[in-house]
Amino acid sequence: NAGVIQTPRHKVTGKGQEATLWCEPISGHSAVFWYRQTIVQGLEFLTYFRNQAPIDDSGMPKERFSAQMPNQSHSTLKIQSTQPQDSAVYLCASSPGGTGNTLYFGEGSRLIVV
Amino acid sequence: QQKVQQSPESLSVPEGGMASFNCTSSDRNFQYFWWYRQHSGEGPKALMSIFSDGDKKEGRFTAHLNKASLHVSLHIRDSQPSDSALYFCAASFNYGGSGNKLIFGTGTLLSVKP
Repeated sequence: NAGVIQTPRHKVTGKGQEATLWCEPISGHSAVFWYRQTIVQGLEFLTYFRNQAPIDDSGMPKERFSAQMPNQSHSTLKIQSTQPQDSAVYLCASSPGGTGNTLYFGEGSRLIVV
Repeated sequence: QQKVQQSPESLSVPEGGMASFNCTSSDRNFQYFWWYRQHSGEGPKALMSIFSDGDKKEGRFTAHLNKASLHVSLHIRDSQPSDSALYFCAASFNYGGSGNKLIFGTGTLLSVKP
């Protein structure tokens, strides 16, 4: 069974450009999560979907970040007008759903904004 | 804001030694706790979960939870160089739509010296 697949693994983008990150969750998992990891802030929750519906986006910077889950096999995280402080590893995770279920993470997408 | 404080920040143990990590949460609504491990260049992987007060042992790993003091710990006996990684505790709530969102601790970097 394949794990969570994230693409691209690495992305370098210029300041002010748009970046889109993709996630393919584990087949059959109903919940998809996005986290951001930096040295300074650690692992920060961004947003999550259950059965493709947005449930909680309390961690998302409101102005430039958006996430979608158009079907059960992929989710996207889009960052508009990227800034150097957006440089981070963006991690996607999926879960069978329900309270108390483990999250399974992908290997992450490293975004560098220059 | 919900927080999970983790200590120590870093830890070095000899091969075959015992490694111990501690976490304290700030919110009594946290009901479910996990320990995750992240090797360099990879996403975090769940080691074990603990939901009830007391000890839970899985092989060389033992977790302990005390909900009254909001404290959870992890102990690794007979540490191996392959255990060298970043260790996170994580907690989630038991309510409504965000019941499965994980709040991660700040992480402990473990180095096991051969």
